[in-house]
Amino acid sequence: AQTVTQSQPEMSVQEAETVTLSCTYDTSENNYYLFWYKQPPSRQMILVIRQEAYKQQNATENRFSVNFQKAAKSFSLKISDSQLGDTAMYFCAFLTGTASKLTFGTGTRLQVTL
Amino acid sequence: EADIYQTPRYLVIGTGKKITLECSQTMGHDKMYWYQQDPGMELHLIHYSYGVNSTEKGDLSSESTVSRIRTEHFPLTLESARPSHTSQYLCASSEQKAEAFFGQGTRLTVV
Repeated sequence: AQTVTQSQPEMSVQEAETVTLSCTYDTSENNYYLFWYKQPPSRQMILVIRQEAYKQQNATENRFSVNFQKAAKSFSLKISDSQLGDTAMYFCAFLTGTASKLTFGTGTRLQVTL
Repeated sequence: EADIYQTPRYLVIGTGKKITLECSQTMGHDKMYWYQQDPGMELHLIHYSYGVNSTEKGDLSSESTVSRIRTEHFPLTLESARPSHTSQYLCASSEQKAEAFFGQGTRLTVV
């Protein structure tokens, strides 16, 4: 069975600073997909970034980038130039190549402060 | 913007009532999911579907049931609501081997 672990229940960062959220996973498969989702308070869950395991290059979306370490089964999210609107719960998620069900981590609550 | 809709957004209902939470998507996705989430907490998968007439139970045992008669529609039913069912229910859909898109959720309160 696949598991996803987010070891940081809560984090805080000052506006304009950089923060890294950690995520590790466990799987015996070689082909899979990893995602970071953002859930602002009382708002809809949205996709932040995705990474295919077969791609060595780390995914980047504007201020969001990942550090994908396949051998270590690590998939961290870096948010640069943090903004107040980045305040949210962030969930790491995993999907196997056999495309069964999407597995989520327990989430990290990020607070961006002035 | 993803086209997945959940109704109602908020529901307060008495114990013992039967309720159905609606979820519809217009993207033609085969896979659909129901998650239960207490506010600000982790998501628990309670049901999923690979396509029409396919439903599976998720990781968290739930007294709810689902059906998938049409690709676009994945309703969740509670035959007899109880206070322990109070939670937020999130519906999502995806293509094969792709990210999931989420609805806005239904906040259910059973009194």
